[in-house]
Amino acid sequence: DAEITQSPRHKITETGRQVTLACHQTWNHNNMFWYRQDLGHGLRLIHYSYGVQDTNKGEVSDGYSVSRSNTEDLPLTLESAASSQTSVYFCASSASGTGHEQYFGPGTRLTVT
Amino acid sequence: SQQGEEDPQALSIQEGENATMNCSYKTSINNLQWYRQNSGRGLVHLILIRSNEREKHSGRLRVTLDTSKKSSSLLITASRAADTASYFCASSLRNAGNNRKLIWGLGTSLAVNP
Repeated sequence: DAEITQSPRHKITETGRQVTLACHQTWNHNNMFWYRQDLGHGLRLIHYSYGVQDTNKGEVSDGYSVSRSNTEDLPLTLESAASSQTSVYFCASSASGTGHEQYFGPGTRLTVT
Repeated sequence: SQQGEEDPQALSIQEGENATMNCSYKTSINNLQWYRQNSGRGLVHLILIRSNEREKHSGRLRVTLDTSKKSSSLLITASRAADTASYFCASSLRNAGNNRKLIWGLGTSLAVNP
């Protein structure tokens, strides 16, 4: 069965370190998204991609970067982790040419100390 | 910026009762979707209603859309304890170049008490 996975599921890191969160989908979806979810803020879009070599900034992109070298993966990098980036991160994907329903990964809980 | 706003923010009902959640949005949409999130899990797509539809059913779920009022409602009938979750609405904008992103509401937290 097709799925979308995230790793690691939990991560504790120190301020200033570079961290990469992995997202892998086997749906063969063109569109991929990274969100962070914080209490009181709902889901906020960090970066998104509509295909290989395409990346776009979302509403809270500062301090984050992504790259899309293939259809299946969209890793999210925190260049220099800050305590304000402590959050739960979700990756999602959707197919083009449809209603754009998104399929979500299980999330990564990141703590920056 | 969030386009969707849901109310109530929190809802507590008894098992067997119906639960109604509302969502409002600000600009023209292509479709509106509802998702469920169980505690500590990713979101799961429940149902999609297109801008030219007024009502849609899926099992115990009923969704309505009123484009003149820019609002939608999700009704869960005969609720069960397993329906306890947060429910989010998300809209796909009518702008063809931008309709693959979804604009999310803040969610309604539903507690169904046995």
